[in-house]
Amino acid sequence: DTEVTQTPKHLVMGMTNKKSLKCEQHMGHRAMYWYKQKAKKPPELMFVYSYEKLSINESVPSRFSPECPNSSLLNLHLHALQPEDSALYLCASSQDEGITYGYTFGSGTRLTVV
Amino acid sequence: GIQVEQSPPDLILQEGANSTLRCNFSDSVNNLQWFHQNPWGQLINLFYIPSGTKQNGRLSATTVATERYSLLYISSSQTTDSGVYFCAVERGNYGGSQGNLIFGKGTKLSVKP
Repeated sequence: DTEVTQTPKHLVMGMTNKKSLKCEQHMGHRAMYWYKQKAKKPPELMFVYSYEKLSINESVPSRFSPECPNSSLLNLHLHALQPEDSALYLCASSQDEGITYGYTFGSGTRLTVV
Repeated sequence: GIQVEQSPPDLILQEGANSTLRCNFSDSVNNLQWFHQNPWGQLINLFYIPSGTKQNGRLSATTVATERYSLLYISSSQTTDSGVYFCAVERGNYGGSQGNLIFGKGTKLSVKP
């Protein structure tokens, strides 16, 4: 299995909702990432889980909350989002800091906040 | 931080034409990848190429790390090659952590039949 699987593919949520995005890989990678991509912009890093240690992009608001239940799974919990949070959310994984083999990306969750 | 510049920003080709996309980066890197983002948003890894030359079918890439640039060649383009091509770099071991893959702004390629 050489894929990163993200669910759901599309999500529409209200500003008072709580939802979660899921990401799964079975490549034995030890680092997983969440990226956010606004329309017509490149992806930007939100969070890194590497060897079960979380690193945060400090510009990411607290309404986004990552969770790593095990080395194969990465969730992104969403709460009280704003319309400007509408974007494509991409999950990625790498075997070992991305240096040796690079990153593999999932197909993304397209999120719309209404 | 490291800067990544891609050119051209937009490119329109007739089917069958060849093209070269360029990526310049401002500092030494340990990781460089080329991605193709299709119209549905999926980022497809084309090449992991921090240095040297690789080929995969109609696509090839060359990175000259000492001169801080990389080139992506597309030959005999097809309409399915349309989309946005991103170059992304990572310095590695930056500040004791990793995982900050820095993307250029991309080249939007349109291949006309």
